[in-house]
Amino acid sequence: GAVVSQHPSRVICKSGTSVKIECRSLDFQATTMFWYRQFPKQSLMLMATSNEGSKATYEQGVEKDKFLINHASLTLSTLTVTSAHPEDSSFYICSAQGQGAVTGELFFGEGSRLTVL
Amino acid sequence: AQSVTQLDSQVPVFEEAPVELRCNYSSSVSVYLFWYVQYPNQGLQLLLKYLSGSTLVKGINGFEAEFNKSQTSFHLRKPSVHISDTAEYFCAVSDPYNQGGKLIFGQGTELSVKP
Repeated sequence: GAVVSQHPSRVICKSGTSVKIECRSLDFQATTMFWYRQFPKQSLMLMATSNEGSKATYEQGVEKDKFLINHASLTLSTLTVTSAHPEDSSFYICSAQGQGAVTGELFFGEGSRLTVL
Repeated sequence: AQSVTQLDSQVPVFEEAPVELRCNYSSSVSVYLFWYVQYPNQGLQLLLKYLSGSTLVKGINGFEAEFNKSQTSFHLRKPSVHISDTAEYFCAVSDPYNQGGKLIFGQGTELSVKP
């Protein structure tokens, strides 16, 4: 199946710094990418939807200035957590949908665990 | 609005026993239905999907699910589980008429297979 690679898998940073997480579709073109946040023992919370070449659409309650999403190409989307604080510590997962794919049939990255000290 | 309810947060079961993970959805329109599996500290992997046609859907790793429109359910089953099936399982729904639309997840069910 299609492969989505997420990097880094783990990152620890100091409070106040910014962290960038990359999501790449390795063998297909991803017209749409989704970013999720997952707290321990909980479901995935959709943060934003990004389409290549356009601004991301953020879910209600998600600060777009804090969670910057860029989808510059059909194979790469990035999530930057700006001025991170301990409450931003979480598991972030990206997913990608290919061209012509069935709505909802997504390929997920391995996730990135962010720990803010 | 669409929503998904997974009735069991945790399901412990012994190895080689059958298992059913329950999922109900709420939608007034047609839906696509999915089951995803998440192993510890990993992303999600598609187990199976229902788009249309036969209501019994077979997926990977010996799992299957049955779409029941009248009961708005999409329960996941496996006749004999293995230790390696221990994971978190998510039921999800999407709107087939909204290309690029969201995938709505249930709360997840933690399947714990014991020897």
